[in-house]
Amino acid sequence: DAGVTQSPTHLIKTRGQQVTLRCSPISGHKSVSWYQQVLGQGPQFIFQYYEKEERGRGNFPDRFSARQFPNYSSELNVNALLLGDSALYLCASSLKAGGAETQYFGPGTRLLVL
Amino acid sequence: AQTVTQSQPEMSVQEAETVTLSCTYDTSESDYYLFWYKQPPSRQMILVIRQEAYKQQNATENRFSVNFQKAAKSFSLKISDSQLGDAAMYFCAYRSAWGAQKLVFGQGTRLTINP
Repeated sequence: DAGVTQSPTHLIKTRGQQVTLRCSPISGHKSVSWYQQVLGQGPQFIFQYYEKEERGRGNFPDRFSARQFPNYSSELNVNALLLGDSALYLCASSLKAGGAETQYFGPGTRLLVL
Repeated sequence: AQTVTQSQPEMSVQEAETVTLSCTYDTSESDYYLFWYKQPPSRQMILVIRQEAYKQQNATENRFSVNFQKAAKSFSLKISDSQLGDAAMYFCAYRSAWGAQKLVFGQGTRLTINP
């Protein structure tokens, strides 16, 4: 079975632009979470979506938004990009939304903002 | 808010030896989960082992085991018979049993395996 997939793998944008990152969960998984990993640090939680509903949001500005589609894939949008948004963006999926569920990560999208 | 601290930015070990990575966490909750994830240069975060806080028995997965001390809020990872493929960044993570599936990660420990 395919794991979590993310696209694109790399992306270069300039300050002020907008970006959309995509994530396809493992088949059958209904929960998707997004994390931002700045170089040299641990990942930081951005969002969790389950059954197309937002279940949690981390301490990120409103420039960050996300949605989940009927097929459980998800998009993360970042508007008005800042240099500090340069990071690895990780997507994780799990079967359900509960705390006992194991989350499986994708390979990430590397975003560079110039 | 919960926090996770990994006090060892870097560790190194000889191949076939044993190494222990440290992790402490802070929480007021009694029901939670703890994880160790491995992130090789390929960037993909891979689950190594998980521990449920309500279980007293330490989790074990082949060469990987944990020492979970709930009162001390300590969760260390022991890797036995280290292999070259174990070289990676290791992250300790906490997740509440309730609410969003929010993993709180430590800063990571870079593990080097010397042949």
